[in-house]
Amino acid sequence: DQQVKQNSPSLSVQEGRISILNCDYTNSMFDYFLWYKKYPAEGPTFLISISSIKDKNEDGRFTVFLNKSAKHLSLHIVPSQPGDSAVYFCAASEAGKTRGSEKLVFGKGMKLTVNP
Amino acid sequence: EAQVTQNPRYLITVTGKKLTVTCSQNMNHEYMSWYRQDPGLGLRQIYYSMNVEVTDKGDVPEGYKVSRKEKRNFPLILESPSPNQTSLYFCASSFSSGEYSYEQYFGPGTRLTVT
Repeated sequence: DQQVKQNSPSLSVQEGRISILNCDYTNSMFDYFLWYKKYPAEGPTFLISISSIKDKNEDGRFTVFLNKSAKHLSLHIVPSQPGDSAVYFCAASEAGKTRGSEKLVFGKGMKLTVNP
Repeated sequence: EAQVTQNPRYLITVTGKKLTVTCSQNMNHEYMSWYRQDPGLGLRQIYYSMNVEVTDKGDVPEGYKVSRKEKRNFPLILESPSPNQTSLYFCASSFSSGEYSYEQYFGPGTRLTVT
């Protein structure tokens, strides 16, 4: 049973417009969420995260929104740039014995293409 | 430069021939982990380690072994590889900068093909 779901396998947007990537989760014990970006032939790189005590976290062009009641989070990229074209993974964890030691559960990923 | 390194980056081997994929991090992170990525399945955790000599199974540990004798190294061992272990493998290490903030850093990946 998949606990973190990225239901859309791909998204294509025009440069300068907003990209919205969605993620749903089923485990109500998840309290920390992360987004990773992955280019071909490279490892995933951390993008942005959000704790369950917040509903929004912003870092430059990237904003993550968390709706705990709906068990849904989204990543907004504004404005989108061609260099943002990559596979994006949503990941979640529940509090472990020590923060930073929890197991991450990943979604299947979504391919974003930003067209010039 | 802070990084996670893996070797080899590419490996083609035959069924049953023991192999080791090395992983090393230079950030003094306590927590390290191995994942495999397969088409349509995302990243799945194989094993993780919370510190030296402390390891535990992830979601898909069958056919794999790990060891953590030093903080910086976390090798993945396939004693008798089989074709269903053909995959892209990632090592990761993580740290926490507070109760509500942590990140996992990933290595560049090792593409393993078992024939």
